[in-house]
Amino acid sequence: GAVVSQHPSRVICKSGTSVKIECRSLDFQATTMFWYRQFPKQSLMLMATSNEGSKATYEQGVEKDKFLINHASLTLSTLTVTSAHPEDSSFYICSARDPGAANGPQHFGDGTRLSIL
Amino acid sequence: QKEVEQNSGPLSVPEGAIASLNCTYSDRVSQSFFWYRQYSGKSPELIMSIYSNGDKEDGRFTAQLNKASQYVSLLIRDSQPSDSATYLCAVSITGGGNKLTFGTGTQLKVEL
Repeated sequence: GAVVSQHPSRVICKSGTSVKIECRSLDFQATTMFWYRQFPKQSLMLMATSNEGSKATYEQGVEKDKFLINHASLTLSTLTVTSAHPEDSSFYICSARDPGAANGPQHFGDGTRLSIL
Repeated sequence: QKEVEQNSGPLSVPEGAIASLNCTYSDRVSQSFFWYRQYSGKSPELIMSIYSNGDKEDGRFTAQLNKASQYVSLLIRDSQPSDSATYLCAVSITGGGNKLTFGTGTQLKVEL
C-alpha cells in the first residue's frame, strides 16, 4: 500500500527557532500533499494543501508567512515553522493520496511532535 | 452545524462485543467516506473506505453508508482491547481538491 514517511518524529527547541518537517511519498508520486495540525484531545485540522510546482493553498486563519510550504518534487513536501513560539507546539501530520486510486483515501505520515520551550 | 459529527464518547464495550460507531455529515455532495483509527500519540491509519450505499465488510470491520440519511457507521465485531483507540470519520467531496473533513472522533474503550 501507499507509504508516507515523515521526518523528524519529534523536535524540541527554543522559542524563535525555525523548524523544518519533511514529508515523502515512498512508493508513489504525489502532486498534492496535505499538512494537518492536531492539538491534544482535538481532531485534525487541515492547515494547507501542498501543490507540486506551485504555491500552497492555505486554510482560513493559517498564516502562510509563518508556515512555509515547499513542494519541489513529486515525492517531497516540506513544512517550515518559522520563528516558532510555545503556542506552535502541536502534533503536525502530513498526508498524501495515491493519484492512481480515484477518490482514494489519504495516507498519513507518522507525524512530528513539536515542542517549543 | 459541524460538517462531520461524531459522538466523542468514550464508548465502552466488553471484549468480544460489537462496537458501533456513528457519523453524520452535512454536505450532500460528499462522495467518499473513510474511517481512520488513531492510537494515542500516533497518526491516523486507514481502516475502511466506502463510496456507495450499503455495507462493506473487511474482516471484523463493517462500514455502512446511507447517503439519503447522510449517515455512515463502522461496526467492529469481536472487539478486542487492541481496538481501543479514537476512530475518526472523514468525508471528501469529489472535485473538492481531495480535501478531507474530519469529525472530532469517537474514543472506543474495549474492556476485559
